[in-house]
Amino acid sequence: RKEVEQDPGPFNVPEGATVAFNCTYSNSASQSFFWYRQDCRKEPKLLMSVYSSGNEDGRFTAQLNRASQYISLLIRDSKLSDSATYLCVVTSGSARQLTFGSGTQLTVLP
Amino acid sequence: EAGVAQSPRYKIIEKRQSVAFWCNPISGHATLYWYQQILGQGPKLLIQFQNNGVVDDSQLPKDRFSAERLKGVDSTLKIQPAKLEDSAVYLCASSLVGDSYGYTFGSGTRLTVV
Repeated sequence: RKEVEQDPGPFNVPEGATVAFNCTYSNSASQSFFWYRQDCRKEPKLLMSVYSSGNEDGRFTAQLNRASQYISLLIRDSKLSDSATYLCVVTSGSARQLTFGSGTQLTVLP
Repeated sequence: EAGVAQSPRYKIIEKRQSVAFWCNPISGHATLYWYQQILGQGPKLLIQFQNNGVVDDSQLPKDRFSAERLKGVDSTLKIQPAKLEDSAVYLCASSLVGDSYGYTFGSGTRLTVV
C-alpha cells in the first residue's frame, strides 16, 4: 500500500466550479500535512499547510481528519490559473522528510 | 534570496552511460534532498543530507546511484550505468534542519535515457 494515496483524476471543470481533492495516508504517526501545487514542467511549490482545525486561504480550504487519516482540499470559484497538479504531502519520522502522493491533475476550462 | 540552483536543466544519454547532476542549495540550509519524479508520479525521495552527512539513503539504488555533499554545501548525484527506467526529473530541495514547512525545490534536471 502506498504511503500517500490520492484521487487518480484528471479533473476537468468549468471556470467558477467548486472542486474537491481527497487524499489518505497510511502512517498514523505522520506529523505534518501539506498540499503542494506543481505546474507543468515546473518544480512543486507549497500551496498550504493542513491542520485538524482546518485551514483557509482565499478560495482554498484544506482539512485534516487524523482519525480517518484523510486530507482534503477544496477549491471554490475555480480560475483558469488553478490548472495544475495538486500533490498531497505528509511528513513522518525523525527526519521529517516530505512523502508525496502521485498527484491529481486539474484542468479548469473556459 | 537566491533559490536552489540545479544544472544541467536537460540531459539526454544512452543507456549504460553515466551522468551527474549538480545542486547548490539556499545559503544556510543544512538539509539537502534529492528526489526522483517519474512522469505521472509524485516526487520520491532518493537521499537526504544534513550538512555533509547522510540522514537517509534507504531508497537510493546504490548499485547505480551515488551522491555526495563533501563540504556540506553543494551536492552531486551520479548515475552509472544509466537504465531506461532512470528517465525522470531529478529535483533537489533544501531546508533548515527539521523545517518541513520550509522546503525549497530547484527547477530540476530532466533526464532522458535512450
